[in-house]
Amino acid sequence: DAMVIQNPRYQVTQFGKPVTLSCSQTLNHNVMYWYQQKSSQAPKLLFHYYDKDFNNEADTPDNFQSRRPNTSFCFLDIRSPGLGDAAMYLCATSSIPEREEKLFFGSGTQLSVL
Amino acid sequence: SQKIEQNSEALNIQEGKTATLTCNYTNYSPAYLQWYRQDPGRGPVFLLLIRENEKEKRKERLKVTFDTTLKQSLFHITASQPADSATYLCALSRGSYIPTFGRGTSLIVHP
Repeated sequence: DAMVIQNPRYQVTQFGKPVTLSCSQTLNHNVMYWYQQKSSQAPKLLFHYYDKDFNNEADTPDNFQSRRPNTSFCFLDIRSPGLGDAAMYLCATSSIPEREEKLFFGSGTQLSVL
Repeated sequence: SQKIEQNSEALNIQEGKTATLTCNYTNYSPAYLQWYRQDPGRGPVFLLLIRENEKEKRKERLKVTFDTTLKQSLFHITASQPADSATYLCALSRGSYIPTFGRGTSLIVHP
């Protein structure tokens, strides 16, 4: 089945130690998003790629970076994780333009920072 | 500032009843509104999309209404089942392809 896959499901890192989360998709969608979601809060958009064009949200800390080497893969790099970066990180895709602009999400990566 | 409000208190209902969840928004003129289901520790799953010129949309046991005058969407699940227990998120888009999500409301259906 076509889908969005995030690895790993759970990631534990140390304070200040760089970490990379990965996302792949078999949907061939042109837009990929990274959301951060803390417990009982709304998913917060960090950035997204429209094809190869990178779009950063104004309030996304510089500590967060992203790479999209090809259509299928997207990475989230956290350069120096702090305790406040512990959260669920959600990757999503959509196909634009399309009649319905729905998002397809992966299962997420739960990040813990020790 | 723009706000999306969903009830932070969990909705508890008995199996077989209709669950109604509310999404209110302020300082927003959304072109369309989406509802997603999120299970604990999982990513959201798309359920329904309704556009600003549509009053109501249905899919099986689900129904969504959209009142742009009241700035409100209602999400109904008829004949609810324990398997419907989850958090339901609404998301608004103003015409760009990027939705902004609410925090969601937890629904608990008791057998």
